[in-house]
Amino acid sequence: EAGVAQSPRYKIIEKRQSVAFWCNPISGHATLYWYQQILGQGPKLLIQFQNNGVVDDSQLPKDRFSAERLKGVDSTLKIQPAKLEDSAVYLCASSLRLGAYNEQFFGPGTRLTVL
Amino acid sequence: SQQGEEDPQALSIQEGENATMNCSYKTSINNLQWYRQNSGRGLVHLILIRSNEREKHSGRLRVTLDTSKKSSSLLITASRAADTASYFCATESKTSYDKVIFGPGTSLSVIP
Repeated sequence: EAGVAQSPRYKIIEKRQSVAFWCNPISGHATLYWYQQILGQGPKLLIQFQNNGVVDDSQLPKDRFSAERLKGVDSTLKIQPAKLEDSAVYLCASSLRLGAYNEQFFGPGTRLTVL
Repeated sequence: SQQGEEDPQALSIQEGENATMNCSYKTSINNLQWYRQNSGRGLVHLILIRSNEREKHSGRLRVTLDTSKKSSSLLITASRAADTASYFCATESKTSYDKVIFGPGTSLSVIP
């Protein structure tokens, strides 16, 4: 079974530039998550999709971050414009469904450096 | 604020020893999960324990849950160098269905 795919793996940009990350979840997984992980910290949930609908985006900085999941499969996360504090690893995860027993499968992440 | 807090922040042991990590949380939960993250990699799910369970085993892993103290522990027995990683507890609160909140993690180093 193929895992969660993310691209690019690394990205270096200057502040005020734009950047986009892509995620392809495990086939059949209805729930998709984007996390931000700053060095030395645990992952922080940015947004959660159930199919192509948003379940939770309470911690997404909506003035600069946006995400979409067209057709309920692939997802993109965009930052525009980027700030220095956005330097982090962006993790995508998917799970089969909503529910109490909810193992999440993570991709390798995209390491973003904002200069 | 984060739901789970791991303790210690960092742990260094010799290969073959046991490693114990603790997690404390603040609100009532549906379940608690432990994940491992190797350097530069994504997280890998290790084990989930439901709020009505007290202990669970998986291979060399043993997880306990004490809901009265709002705490959990992860024990790795007979540690190996390959167990070197960061370990995170993640809680799903009763009031936030399916939302999983991660703690800051424990960094484990196993010295060969």
